[in-house]
Amino acid sequence: EPEVTQTPSHQVTQMGQEVILRCVPISNHLYFYWYRQILGQKVEFLVSFYNNEISEKSEIFDDQFSVERPDGSNFTLKIRSTKLEDSAMYFCASSTRPGANEKLFFGSGTQLSVL
Amino acid sequence: GDSVTQMEGPVTLSEEAFLTINCTYTATGYPSLFWYVQYPGEGLQLLLKATKADDKGSNKGFEATYRKETTSFHLEKGSVQVSDSAVYFCALILNTGGFKTIFGAGTRLFVKA
Repeated sequence: EPEVTQTPSHQVTQMGQEVILRCVPISNHLYFYWYRQILGQKVEFLVSFYNNEISEKSEIFDDQFSVERPDGSNFTLKIRSTKLEDSAMYFCASSTRPGANEKLFFGSGTQLSVL
Repeated sequence: GDSVTQMEGPVTLSEEAFLTINCTYTATGYPSLFWYVQYPGEGLQLLLKATKADDKGSNKGFEATYRKETTSFHLEKGSVQVSDSAVYFCALILNTGGFKTIFGAGTRLFVKA
């Protein structure tokens, strides 16, 4: 089965630094997502992206966050100035279309640790 | 707001035991309901889904029935295996063409041989 790949699997950074998390969605998918899970808490929606723009975002996705599809294959999440509370597992996902009947394909996640 | 509540884990069972993981939801409107599974070192994978009341989703011996009257979608399996050890996530998405899947916190299952 096709896969969503994420790099790196682990990222350690100092507070205040910028990080970029990378994802390669499945090649024929059109909708892309970022979710995160703080240890022991719920998987939280951050943002969805379609046709080179943000479709929907949560209240978590503030001005410190941005997403980009710099080329035909990568989908990145940037955190400009990391905070301790940004430490979490970040999951990228993709789908062929949005909506209630659509299956999301997830990557295996990037564990971000902010020190 | 819309939310999903799962039973807390970890759940530890012996092989061939019966499994139930409870899930209830709160939603405005009529959501579709999902169970995702995350095996160690991997991403979340769709396990099963149900899109309307009284639908039963099933896959790999797992089942869940969409109960509108109790706003529940409990996951069951009659006989678990060691290979079922994973984290299970209940989730919903509203039938409005929205982009956002809402997940529960996940329930970790350990199955002992």
